[in-house]
Amino acid sequence: AQSVTQLDSQVPVFEEAPVELRCNYSSSVSVYLFWYVQYPNQGLQLLLKYLSGSTLVKGINGFEAEFNKSQTSFHLRKPSVHISDTAEYFCAVSVTYNQGGKLIFGQGTELSVKP
Amino acid sequence: EAGVAQSPRYKIIEKRQSVAFWCNPISGHATLYWYQQILGQGPKLLIQFQNNGVVDDSQLPKDRFSAERLKGVDSTLKIQPAKLEDSAVYLCASRPAGMMNTEAFFGQGTRLTVV
Repeated sequence: AQSVTQLDSQVPVFEEAPVELRCNYSSSVSVYLFWYVQYPNQGLQLLLKYLSGSTLVKGINGFEAEFNKSQTSFHLRKPSVHISDTAEYFCAVSVTYNQGGKLIFGQGTELSVKP
Repeated sequence: EAGVAQSPRYKIIEKRQSVAFWCNPISGHATLYWYQQILGQGPKLLIQFQNNGVVDDSQLPKDRFSAERLKGVDSTLKIQPAKLEDSAVYLCASRPAGMMNTEAFFGQGTRLTVV
């Protein structure tokens, strides 16, 4: 069975500092990997995705993530965060299931950026 | 392109009452998901449709929850009777058919409070 583990439930960080949000997945088949962001009282918005090719993927708002197949990880990074990055971040895997793709989410990491 | 539409945005009901949520996916998206997101947790898949057929409802509490997508377009999720633990945000998402390497697009969700 597939699963996603986000290793930190909360990450406090000061503005302009770098940040890394960790994600590990478990799957016996090939997966596609996504990071979504959720601002208060809103739905989920895609930050970036890994499909194939280069293991370093860049997304919106200056975020990037690195896929590591041997460690089954897909950690999200940003070199310098802003107050506006305060939100909940979710890692997700997409796997083939029956007639379509099944999308499984981690528990989320709350990023809190302080001035 | 219009996004995923959900209504209502907020709902407060007493336990043992019934409630229904509506979702209209992006035009042409055959795959539709309903997720339950309890405060502080990641989205949990309740049911997945491919057109008007159910692909996965393994985590849907079928004694009280039901969902339909009669014409393969919009969908309704119902809870009857509601329990206190059903308080959550209910998210609808859609995706093109069989495209597990594409992102799922989310609505803003319906926040349900059961008192």
